[in-house]
Amino acid sequence: DAGVIQSPRHEVTEMGQEVTLRCKPISGHNSLFWYRQTMMRGLELLIYFNNNVPIDDSGMPEDRFSAKMPNASFSTLKIQPSEPRDSAVYFCASSLTEDSYEQYFGPGTRLTVT
Amino acid sequence: AQSVTQPDIHITVSEGASLELRCNYSYGATPYLFWYVQSPGQGLQLLLKYFSGDTLVQGIKGFEAEFKRSQSSFNLRKPSVHWSDAAEYFCAVAIGGSNYKLTFGKGTLLTVNP
Repeated sequence: DAGVIQSPRHEVTEMGQEVTLRCKPISGHNSLFWYRQTMMRGLELLIYFNNNVPIDDSGMPEDRFSAKMPNASFSTLKIQPSEPRDSAVYFCASSLTEDSYEQYFGPGTRLTVT
Repeated sequence: AQSVTQPDIHITVSEGASLELRCNYSYGATPYLFWYVQSPGQGLQLLLKYFSGDTLVQGIKGFEAEFKRSQSSFNLRKPSVHWSDAAEYFCAVAIGGSNYKLTFGKGTLLTVNP
């Protein structure tokens, strides 16, 4: 099994640009989670999907952030426009079911906004 | 809301020494408890979990953790540390029911000296 796949691994962009992060969950997993990790705030849940439906987006910081899951094998997290304070490592994780709690994390995307 | 405290930001141990990483949670009832490990440049991997029953749980890579209700603690232990255990360790809680979100502590960075 390839595990959770994220792309790109690193992204450097200028303030004001649109950024799209991509995630492919493990095949057969029904739940997908997007996290943001920073030194100051640690690991925060942004949004999670179950069966492609957004269940809880209370962690999404503001309207500049949006996430979609058009099918069971693909999700995107978009930031538009990006700001320097969005610089962080963004992780995608998937789990077999939403109540299994064993989440499998991807390697992360390190985003730098200058 | 539930919270997780990992009092030690950084711990250094010698290879072969024993290890204990501390985790305290704040929640009215007994939450579900987890320890994850993050190697440099990687995503998080689940080490072990506690839902109910025996308060001493065994995990992967020789780790164990003990739930102590009276102390609201879930400390991670290993009798003999290997150099490959150097990583960042995260304690996490979930309150269960229909809430499937994990709340993570800020992490403890483990350095292993040869």
